[in-house]
Amino acid sequence: GENVEQHPSTLSVQEGDSAVIKCTYSDSASNYFPWYKQELGKGPQLIIDIRSNVGEKKDQRIAVTLNKTAKHFSLHITETQPEDSAVYFCAASKGTGFQKLVFGTGTRLLVSP
Amino acid sequence: GAVVSQHPSRVICKSGTSVKIECRSLDFQATTMFWYRQFPKQSLMLMATSNEGSKATYEQGVEKDKFLINHASLTLSTLTVTSAHPEDSSFYICSAKPTGKGETQYFGPGTRLLVL
Repeated sequence: GENVEQHPSTLSVQEGDSAVIKCTYSDSASNYFPWYKQELGKGPQLIIDIRSNVGEKKDQRIAVTLNKTAKHFSLHITETQPEDSAVYFCAASKGTGFQKLVFGTGTRLLVSP
Repeated sequence: GAVVSQHPSRVICKSGTSVKIECRSLDFQATTMFWYRQFPKQSLMLMATSNEGSKATYEQGVEKDKFLINHASLTLSTLTVTSAHPEDSSFYICSAKPTGKGETQYFGPGTRLLVL
């Protein structure tokens, strides 16, 4: 089955810096890759997703890149702000319908003022 | 749009009792909902896939008789933890996939269960 690895487990940056979180997946059939932000005591919030027919997607300060050949995808946050501090999870799934998400282990991002 | 609610947000119960958690998609229909459990500082672990009008599909190692799932309508799924024990204490989160809208899942705010 699918296995998703995520690095780093923790990431500390200064406000205004960029942050990059990387994930690798094992199943070449996976074709949907969402990123979720989870604040303490809350449910995950979808922040951006990408499908395998696209190499990059951007939404304001957030971007995701996908390398299908290497089977890895990355989240890029520019101009980080303290409110970006949270745990970020990547995930992967294949197909539509009932296909389940397989989550990475999470990255705790701390943005210091 | 794409709002998912859960009720209750927190529950404390005595060992041996049963607890029901509701998951509702507020502004869309969801043929498929998912139930996850999350322990402190860990990732989300899928427990089961809930399909409207049919039996849930449980992940390996999850006891279907202990975690009863009912998905009686396109906007409501319930998870009942039967005969709860302290080791069942966890953060339970549901997600819902809008019908006919592809793979995107939207998560609820979670339910914190503490079994004494």
